[in-house]
Amino acid sequence: AQKITQTQPGMFVQEKEAVTLDCTYDTSDQSYGLFWYKQPSSGEMIFLIYQGSYDEQNATEGRYSLNFQKARKSANLVISASQLGDSAMYFCAMREEKIQSTGNQFYFGTGTSLTVIP
Amino acid sequence: DAGVIQSPRHEVTEMGQEVTLRCKPISGHDYLFWYRQTMMRGLELLIYFNNNVPIDDSGMPEDRFSAKMPNASFSTLKIQPSEPRDSAVYFCASSPTRRANYGYTFGSGTRLTVV
Repeated sequence: AQKITQTQPGMFVQEKEAVTLDCTYDTSDQSYGLFWYKQPSSGEMIFLIYQGSYDEQNATEGRYSLNFQKARKSANLVISASQLGDSAMYFCAMREEKIQSTGNQFYFGTGTSLTVIP
Repeated sequence: DAGVIQSPRHEVTEMGQEVTLRCKPISGHDYLFWYRQTMMRGLELLIYFNNNVPIDDSGMPEDRFSAKMPNASFSTLKIQPSEPRDSAVYFCASSPTRRANYGYTFGSGTRLTVV
């Protein structure tokens, strides 16, 4: 089973509008972290936002917020007031916390390509 | 902090040649990860190290790939012999701990083209 599922290969949004990028995850662990990364056309991976499994409040970082619904195992990224510079690939990722040193890697989704239209 | 440093940024090589990719993690980070990114397969974990010891190399595609971490500040990923299907962007990332609330810091990646 996929650990991280991103069902939107591509999304379009009008400049200044808000957009939601979907992410669902699969884990039986109690302690885990959820992350979103942005990859612009230049190729680097840029950390955007983090949500811990025990956090009761949704994470926010500037124009980014994470809509965390634990029971539904979803961690959607909301970008408010989209800008042209937001056009990029967005990856959802999960890290499970393990006592042992194995299993500590990130699991990445397949990504969503966001295009902001002027 | 200079971040995770990868070299070279771009590599073009002929099929059959040996390729070595290099990575310097952030000082103090105990975990180092190597990923490969392609359009077809997305981000694939190749191998990761904890305190310089390889922990999981199940993602290494075949014997042509090998990775080493001789010390805490340096790792290499070697492909010998290289093939056109190895063309991809290879990322190195490091993390300070196994804790789930710590993310990765990625290097800028090495874009490998095998012709």
